[in-house]
Amino acid sequence: AQSVTQLGSHVSVSEGALVLLRCNYSSSVPPYLFWYVQYPNQGLQLLLKYTSAATLVKGINGFEAEFKKSETSFHLTKPSAHMSDAAEYFCAVSDDQSGGGADGLTFGKGTHLIIQP
Amino acid sequence: NAGVTQTPKFQVLKTGQSMTLQCAQDMNHNSMYWYRQDPGMGLRLIYYSASEGTTDKGEVPNGYNVSRLNKREFSLRLESAAPSQTSVYFCASTMGLAATDTQYFGPGTRLTVL
Repeated sequence: AQSVTQLGSHVSVSEGALVLLRCNYSSSVPPYLFWYVQYPNQGLQLLLKYTSAATLVKGINGFEAEFKKSETSFHLTKPSAHMSDAAEYFCAVSDDQSGGGADGLTFGKGTHLIIQP
Repeated sequence: NAGVTQTPKFQVLKTGQSMTLQCAQDMNHNSMYWYRQDPGMGLRLIYYSASEGTTDKGEVPNGYNVSRLNKREFSLRLESAAPSQTSVYFCASTMGLAATDTQYFGPGTRLTVL
């Protein structure tokens, strides 16, 4: 069984400040991890994914995430927040035992990122 | 490429009414999915189709049926809508079933059941 916990349903940062969105996973086998972003009234868009190559993964729009097995974490960061980053962010996990089917992607509950001017 | 498209964008139903949500993808993907999104719940898988001609239940299939009409299209049907089915519904597709495959999402259908 796999699960994802996103700490903080809402995170507020000032424009230009560091963005840190937390994600911890639970998986009985090596996981694959994803971050998706959802802008208002739109579908989800992939930001980045970890597939067991490099532990530091760079994504679109200046975001990156680091896989830390010892901490079972995959936190999302961006050095300098922009107003256009305001959105809902979802962490998701899959593994080779589940493939892409019924258990393929397990999503966290999401973190709403608010950017203060 | 339009990617994944969904119709309608919005729908209001009365309890007991039926409707079909349509989804189509033009990326030649093999696998397609239906999720529902509720506030504070993330996304939960309703049904998926690994390939044309196959469908399987996900986490929350009760009250829904699906049809994989062809490789491009995957529809979700509510036979007798209930207020608990008020939600935002997303269709997604992937090339295959590998755990590393990226899921591509449609814009969603916002359904209200009165």
